[in-house]
Amino acid sequence: AQSVTQLDSQVPVFEEAPVELRCNYSSSVSVYLFWYVQYPNQGLQLLLKYLSGSTLVESINGFEAEFNKSQTSFHLRKPSVHISDTAEYFCAVILLMDSNYQLIWGAGTKLIIKP
Amino acid sequence: EAQVTQNPRYLITVTGKKLTVTCSQNMNHEYMSWYRQDPGLGLRQIYYSMNVEVTDKGDVPEGYKVSRKEKRNFPLILESPSPNQTSLYFCASSPGQGAYEQYFGPGTRLTVT
Repeated sequence: AQSVTQLDSQVPVFEEAPVELRCNYSSSVSVYLFWYVQYPNQGLQLLLKYLSGSTLVESINGFEAEFNKSQTSFHLRKPSVHISDTAEYFCAVILLMDSNYQLIWGAGTKLIIKP
Repeated sequence: EAQVTQNPRYLITVTGKKLTVTCSQNMNHEYMSWYRQDPGLGLRQIYYSMNVEVTDKGDVPEGYKVSRKEKRNFPLILESPSPNQTSLYFCASSPGQGAYEQYFGPGTRLTVT
């Protein structure tokens, strides 16, 4: 069965330190990849996406993710986190099939910034 | 402002009392969806709709109903709520037609006692 795995349910990191949130998926079909962020007491919002082209995609607030087809991964990174990055991050994958598509969500990773 | 709205934002009710959570989007999106979010379980899709009058079950449809009579509205109906439906609910919409990113509402926190 197709699945999206976010290996870490929580990632604690000190402010200004780098962080990587991992996302792996299992699929043999073409995919689109997304990272969403959920700040405390808010809905989810799109952080960045990979549809095609360059495998490295960036967000406006300094996050980046790289699509690695051979490792079926789409890890999210930031070189220096800020207290305002405290949130839960969800990886999502669109599986493209002949005349339809399927959306699969990861379980989420809580990013905890320590001052 | 382009947005997805949900009402109510908070609701406390009793077992068996029918309720409806409304969802509306002003972006002319074709695709709409309902999710529930529970600690440790991430997002689970309840129902989705690819267009007007077209709805399909998601991963956890039991105990829920939806309708899509108009493009902008996608209400979630709990005919006989039970305590295990206590959760945080999100409505989302997406343009469809090759654009898959989803736009989420602010959430509805439901407590069933």
